[in-house]
Amino acid sequence: AQKVTQAQTEISVVEKEDVTLDCVYETRDTTYYLFWYKQPPSGELVFLIRRNSFDEQNEISGRYSWNFQKSTSSFNFTITASQVVDSAVYFCALSELWGGSNYKLTFGKGTLLTVNP
Amino acid sequence: GAVVSQHPSWVICKSGTSVKIECRSLDFQATTMFWYRQFPKQSLMLMATSNEGSKATYEQGVEKDKFLINHASLTLSTLTVTSAHPEDSSFYICSGAGTEDYEQYFGPGTRLTVT
Repeated sequence: AQKVTQAQTEISVVEKEDVTLDCVYETRDTTYYLFWYKQPPSGELVFLIRRNSFDEQNEISGRYSWNFQKSTSSFNFTITASQVVDSAVYFCALSELWGGSNYKLTFGKGTLLTVNP
Repeated sequence: GAVVSQHPSWVICKSGTSVKIECRSLDFQATTMFWYRQFPKQSLMLMATSNEGSKATYEQGVEKDKFLINHASLTLSTLTVTSAHPEDSSFYICSGAGTEDYEQYFGPGTRLTVT
């Protein structure tokens, strides 16, 4: 079973539409961390947000917002009023303790977002 | 955030040759470094984890004799692809993390093309 599931492989929207990217995760740990990254065509991963398992507060940063719900093991990402520059692949990732002292990141398969003018 | 660099950013090599990719943490000590591989339109797959001064731990299915990882200092790790073949063409990304740090800081990636 996948540890991080991004069910939406591709999403296409028209500029100014709102769009939500889904992420469902699976872990047995009580302490873990969740991340969202953006990967534009250049390939470099851009960090967007981190969230620890004890902080369920939703967060808003400009046009971006995140909804973390432990009850459903979901960490969804919403872009409001999307822009062409938002076009990229977005990855959700889960960081868990592994081997006693190292944390390991598991990535979802990613969602390709295309924002059309 | 912490900065990680990779060199080269892209490389083309001939089949059968070896190529080395460097990963440097510029403003922090990376106790642990990770190497990922990403094929087109796919996710990042962890290849190996290395702690400074120790042998790397490879993920299942990754040939340790083919992908040599050295992490000799707290700021430098190298990945050498030995006897490269066209199927090794991929985007290689490294990341670094401090001691017991749950967050990894990613390099910009190296695009390897084997002809």
